[in-house]
Amino acid sequence: NAGVTQTPKFQVLKTGQSMTLQCAQDMNHNSMYWYRQDPGMGLRLIYYSASEGTTDKGEVPNGYNVSRLNKREFSLRLESAAPSQTSVYFCASRGPVGEKLFFGSGTQLSVL
Amino acid sequence: EDQVTQSPEALRLQEGESSSLNCSYTVSGLRGLFWYRQDPGKGPEFLFTLYSAGEEKEKERLKATLTKKESFLHITAPKPEDSATYLCAPEAGTASKLTFGTGTRLQVTL
Repeated sequence: NAGVTQTPKFQVLKTGQSMTLQCAQDMNHNSMYWYRQDPGMGLRLIYYSASEGTTDKGEVPNGYNVSRLNKREFSLRLESAAPSQTSVYFCASRGPVGEKLFFGSGTQLSVL
Repeated sequence: EDQVTQSPEALRLQEGESSSLNCSYTVSGLRGLFWYRQDPGKGPEFLFTLYSAGEEKEKERLKATLTKKESFLHITAPKPEDSATYLCAPEAGTASKLTFGTGTRLQVTL
């Protein structure tokens, strides 16, 4: 079972460049999430999608956009990358509210 | 606003030396409190969910407990393979998202 798959695993961008982080899950989960993790800050929620066709802002949405392409896929886009967006990004999914999150292996992004 | 504080930030134990990690939280109407383990370079891995005060869950050398304001992760006779960062995350009843603490980085030495 693949679970939650994120691509790419590593990426280096220059300031102002754009890119999309991809996430797919094969567990038929309704909810999907994007988090960023920075030293000393813990995991912070960027955006989430409670079901196909809906998206909501989390704690730190500025500078990001998301698309829930279908039930399986939830992408995160940086339109104009900034050094402050250097971080490790995790995608997660789960079934019913209240159940555990399943995490992907992360994308390490550096913006120079 | 939901708040989560984990302590200590870092903990170094010798093999076999038991201890506890603390997670203090303030959320509106707790739906559940989650514990995760994270190894370097990997995504968090689920350990436990606790739903109500007084509940306890165990897995090998780990036991999680819950009160109305705190959760503890007790580690009994730890081994070096227990070295990791442990994250707690309460979920408020009105939301469909978890709020993570900054974690406790545990190192167990021989």
